[in-house]
Amino acid sequence: DVQMTQSPSYLAASPGESVSISCKASKSISNNLAWYQEKPGKANKLLIHSGSTLQSGTPSRFSGSGSGTDFTLTIRSLESEDFAVYYCQQYNEYPLTFGSGTKLEIK
Amino acid sequence: EVKLVESGGGLVLPGASLKLSCIVSGFTFSDYWMRWVRQAPGKGLEFIGEIKPDGSKTNYAPSMKGRFTISRDNAKNTLYLQMSSVRSEDTATYYCARADAWGQGASVTVSS
Repeated sequence: DVQMTQSPSYLAASPGESVSISCKASKSISNNLAWYQEKPGKANKLLIHSGSTLQSGTPSRFSGSGSGTDFTLTIRSLESEDFAVYYCQQYNEYPLTFGSGTKLEIK
Repeated sequence: EVKLVESGGGLVLPGASLKLSCIVSGFTFSDYWMRWVRQAPGKGLEFIGEIKPDGSKTNYAPSMKGRFTISRDNAKNTLYLQMSSVRSEDTATYYCARADAWGQGASVTVSS
């Protein structure tokens, strides 16, 4: 299985700040990586696919980068609605695997 | 609007079987690979398996193979997850999803 190592597991930031979340694959997954947002009481939301392609409806303050084994999700100018849990997920091969999640909280 | 609604969760005894359903709307169900993902309390997301649009092929996580079976009825726009010989470790919220849309989940608690 492809292991996805996500860091940090916890991040505290203030509205208006920028943050980055790292996701490292145990082997190359090309750009077959998605980022999801989890919020209580809401369905998980796909933010980014193919490593850097914003899903329709994802605000432009979100960006994804990387390929191969190293990926980053960056959120610029945090807004209150962005405080949530974020997961990366590889879909290069089965079984699909997820990172362990990053909880982004308000400082 | 794309909607996925899971049902069939609840409290189940260890060793029992349970079948979850996911009714979808707002898109052509028969065009999409569909998957089940679970999340144990306080834990991260875990892939269970995925099924081809016509139902002819499934891929499972190795740890799920044998006890979990994914199927679909395209005429009913419904995805299924058959769980057998459940154990306490199967306590989780079970999500029906396609690559770009998720349901809100069905809670399964395995306890005597």
